[in-house]
Amino acid sequence: QSVLTEPPSVSAAPGQKVTISCSGSSSNFGNHYVSWYQHLPGTAPKLLIYDNNKRPSGIPDRFSGSKSGTSATLGITGLQTGDEADYYCATWDSSLSVYVFGTGTKVTVL
Amino acid sequence: EAQLVESGGGLVQPGGSLRLSCAASGFTFSFYTMNWVRQAPGKGLEWVSNIVSSSGAINYADSVKGRFTISRDNAKNSLYLQMNSLRVEDTAVYYCARGGREVDFWGQGTLVTVSS
Repeated sequence: QSVLTEPPSVSAAPGQKVTISCSGSSSNFGNHYVSWYQHLPGTAPKLLIYDNNKRPSGIPDRFSGSKSGTSATLGITGLQTGDEADYYCATWDSSLSVYVFGTGTKVTVL
Repeated sequence: EAQLVESGGGLVQPGGSLRLSCAASGFTFSFYTMNWVRQAPGKGLEWVSNIVSSSGAINYADSVKGRFTISRDNAKNSLYLQMNSLRVEDTAVYYCARGGREVDFWGQGTLVTVSS
């Protein structure tokens, strides 16, 4: 059971916006940066956001991240069918000395 | 171009052992913290272990502590995961992944199936 909680699924029509929440605690989000990953089944996961809100080279600005206290949010605007995937937040947890992934959110484009 | 290629997966009986390897290329392997991350069928991503580049410090998830051993050979640009006392619940795709604060590059994964 992950210590980072995400909603199981979110959905929206093409072109619309979705937000994915990730709830943690002071031992993880309180002291560490948050990353977000996109994972399509059968492929390698991809880093979307690091250091709470930075995008690696090649990731479009449709993807954004934020963190406040012990929660974080991933936003996806201009939703495309290619965005259908599972999305995970992640960070280091100081009290457990482990890297933790969120429970994962499946994004569906209606 | 960076590349991570896992190998060593397969079918093993409960209680058995398996050694995974990850061959890195296209970047300075010794500079990076390296990880193993797994995904069981129908489940989410689960971090398994990492080995820090600078200090050699090693961390494990509680679910594998005492059974799995991570190691690296910087001269061979390779990462390893020795898995002993395997359980049915260790069945998963195992990914080799680069990075410390964030995991910025992943391999394609190798499937480990633990079944009698």
